[in-house]
Amino acid sequence: NAGVTQTPKFQVLKTGQSMTLQCAQDMNHEYMSWYRQDPGMGLRLIHYSVGAGITDQGEVPNGYNVSRSTTEDFPLRLLSAAPSQTSVYFCASSYSSGDWALHFGNGTRLTVT
Amino acid sequence: SQQGEEDPQALSIQEGENATMNCSYKTSINNLQWYRQNSGRGLVHLILIRSNEREKHSGRLRVTLDTSKKSSSLLITASRAADTASYFCATGHNQGGKLIFGQGTELSVKP
Repeated sequence: NAGVTQTPKFQVLKTGQSMTLQCAQDMNHEYMSWYRQDPGMGLRLIHYSVGAGITDQGEVPNGYNVSRSTTEDFPLRLLSAAPSQTSVYFCASSYSSGDWALHFGNGTRLTVT
Repeated sequence: SQQGEEDPQALSIQEGENATMNCSYKTSINNLQWYRQNSGRGLVHLILIRSNEREKHSGRLRVTLDTSKKSSSLLITASRAADTASYFCATGHNQGGKLIFGQGTELSVKP
């Protein structure tokens, strides 16, 4: 199994550009989430989904959109990139009951200039 | 705002010594989890302790949970250079899988 796969690994954007960060998991997990990691801030939850067709906001949702049309995929869209969105983005998934351990992808390092 | 706060922020020890990291949180939880992150990689789940448990072991890891003090500790015994990483606590709530992370402890184990 591949686990959680994130693409791309690295991305540089100019202010105002839009892009989509891809995330796919092959473990049939109901729950998927996006975090951003900044120095000294730990991980902060952006958006999450408890199943296909259901999404909700986390701690820092502004400037990001998500959708969950399938169980496997949970893309994160940056609508109009800003320098404050320079960060490392992690996608994670888990079962929604019982063992709630999150499985993480290896991250996307995004720089907005 | 962050749920968990970890202490210390950084810890440097010699191989063979024990490492203890602490985590405090603010609101009631369903479970508390610990994760490890090696440089440039995603987080890896280490251990989960439920709110009705007080202590849990997994190999060289020992986790305690004190819900009255809203705190947890992670003990790594007989540390190895390969344990060098950042360690995060995360609190789980009623919504399955939704975790709130602390800021992490950076552990350096010198050979």
